[in-house]
Parts: sequence; structure tokens; C-alpha cells
Amino acid sequence: DGGITQSPKYLFRKEGQNVTLSCEQNLNHDAMYWYRQDPGQGLRLIYYSQIVNDFQKGDIAEGYSVSREKKESFPLTVTSAQKNPTAFYLCASSPRDSWSEQYFGPGTRLTVT
Amino acid sequence: SQQGEEDPQALSIQEGENATMNCSYKTSINNLQWYRQNSGRGLVHLILIRSNEREKHSGRLRVTLDTSKKSSSLLITASRAADTASYFCATDDRGSNYKLTFGKGTLLTVNP
Repeated sequence: DGGITQSPKYLFRKEGQNVTLSCEQNLNHDAMYWYRQDPGQGLRLIYYSQIVNDFQKGDIAEGYSVSREKKESFPLTVTSAQKNPTAFYLCASSPRDSWSEQYFGPGTRLTVT
Repeated sequence: SQQGEEDPQALSIQEGENATMNCSYKTSINNLQWYRQNSGRGLVHLILIRSNEREKHSGRLRVTLDTSKKSSSLLITASRAADTASYFCATDDRGSNYKLTFGKGTLLTVNP
């Protein structure tokens, strides 16, 4: 899992509540990413950020929001607008000169009931 | 649709045997990577092969890439029970910007 930490490992929320997932990296990587993984599926990109104070939507950004105020941190908020929020969320980072070589955190399993 | 599609979806072998997984993709790529994921954990980067490379080795791993067939294979030799995990290929598509496309993975079970 390298120098990327995600907390908490498990998160439980009631429907209708917003929840923020933490992602921190000490690899000095410029780019950071959020992916969602559903059972038996590959990863789908939610948001990514190439530099501080800038981020772009991925394939499934609806119902999610992010911020990138610091190079080391890229928190993801799952809002009440996300229809099916229960999933495994993975954060990743990569260096600017090799952006596709991404390193992943241990993940946060979010359960919304 | 998924860019990378792994085959088979599941593979069960005995310790010591070799395991081969395949990945097919649809568009032109810059490179292709293989990742391992243990149950409930994050992904671990295994190996990256560039579009101008045909074969790459790392320890017990051997990856091949055939850009004419748009396919790659991952061979794990002398498998161990600790190799039990899901294996994903991910492509860095030409023209994409900071986006990797992942397949659904192959679940490998190595029986002791």
C-alpha cells in the first residue's frame, strides 16, 4: 500500500448523510485519484487531480465531490445525491512524469443503510 | 464498456503450478499494467509494459504484450498459496488524460 493512507478502513452511514473519505500520501506525487470498486468489478474513476487546487471529473463523478488544497491530501465526499454509495473506495497517486504508474491506498469500505 | 477484459474470470491451481492470465483491450495504448489485489485490500502494482515492448520479467512474473492482437498475458511461475488474489490489467489509452481503464480481473486461487 506504499505511502498512501486511507481512513477509516470501514465506514457506516445512514442514507441521506454526506460522508468524507480521507486520502493522504507522502510520496510527493503530483497526481491523485479516486476510484470506486463494486463486487466482482474493476475500478471506475470518480475524480482525479493533477495539481493542487485543480481536479477533473472521471467516469462516474455524479454524487461525489473532492478538494485538493494540499499536495498530500485529496478527500472525497460522498453526498446524499449518490444513488448507490455502498462500495469499496480506493485512492491512488502517481508522479507527474509517470502518471499512469499509480500506487494505491488500502481502501475504505463504505456501507450506507 | 471495459477496455481491458481479463480471461479467465477465475482460475484454481495447485501450489507449484504455473498460472496464466490474459487481458484483451480495444484501443491503442501507451502502456499496460498488471495489478494484484488481495481480498478487501488495495491494489499492488506488479509490472508495467510499454507499447514498444514485447516481454518483461519481474521475479516469478512474466508479461507479454501483443499490440497487433491487442492482448497481454501474465504468467506466474511456481505459484504459491500467497499468490491467491485477484489480478487486474489496466491500460493507459493513447489520447486519454490521466485515465487508466481497468478490467474486471481474474481471481486466482492457489491451493496448498
